[in-house]
Amino acid sequence: DGGITQSPKYLFRKEGQNVTLSCEQNLNHDAMYWYRQDPGQGLRLIYYSQIVNDFQKGDIAEGYSVSREKKESFPLTVTSAQKNPTAFYLCASSIHRESDTEAFFGQGTRLTVV
Amino acid sequence: GENVEQHPSTLSVQEGDSAVIKCTYSDSASNYFPWYKQELGKRPQLIIDIRSNVGEKKDQRIAVTLNKTAKHFSLHITETQPEDSAVYFCAALGGYSSGNTPLVFGKGTRLSVIA
Repeated sequence: DGGITQSPKYLFRKEGQNVTLSCEQNLNHDAMYWYRQDPGQGLRLIYYSQIVNDFQKGDIAEGYSVSREKKESFPLTVTSAQKNPTAFYLCASSIHRESDTEAFFGQGTRLTVV
Repeated sequence: GENVEQHPSTLSVQEGDSAVIKCTYSDSASNYFPWYKQELGKRPQLIIDIRSNVGEKKDQRIAVTLNKTAKHFSLHITETQPEDSAVYFCAALGGYSSGNTPLVFGKGTRLSVIA
């Protein structure tokens, strides 16, 4: 469904633990993004990557880390430094060419700190 | 970087009426403006988009207009139906020639269509 898969759908984390959210796409897209969604806050950009082995911080990168070792994969680690990690996390990918720029979203991961 | 403002945050309309959602952007280099619809508990999905070389685009009951000079764009939904109820997001993306720019979203509009 759209060729971009996030796992798991639900994730529970104890305070002080790091957790990694998976995002995989088979669309051959160059660009990948991580967004955080809180009620009334819209979609806030955490990190994005336009090519393999390169990524940039978004507006709310503190307490998060990413890697882009493969074109297909862009995992997000929520570290213990993120003070309020409970949220809905969405991964997206796009080609980002002049003629074709549509971004496709994964189904999301709902992270809860317990 | 790019900043996208979206209004209103909530909108209620009677079934059959029109709904209009407006967005402004800050980066004059942005040249791609998509609109996404997100139903409860689901992923955002693209419903229509427009590029900076056109002023208006229509797809059945939905249309988007773009004013590059004023740096604002709007979503118009006509003959609204209950299934149009959802959260709508606008976004802006810098041109490919602008280099490494991400897709930036507005905060969303919760549309309720009252039967």
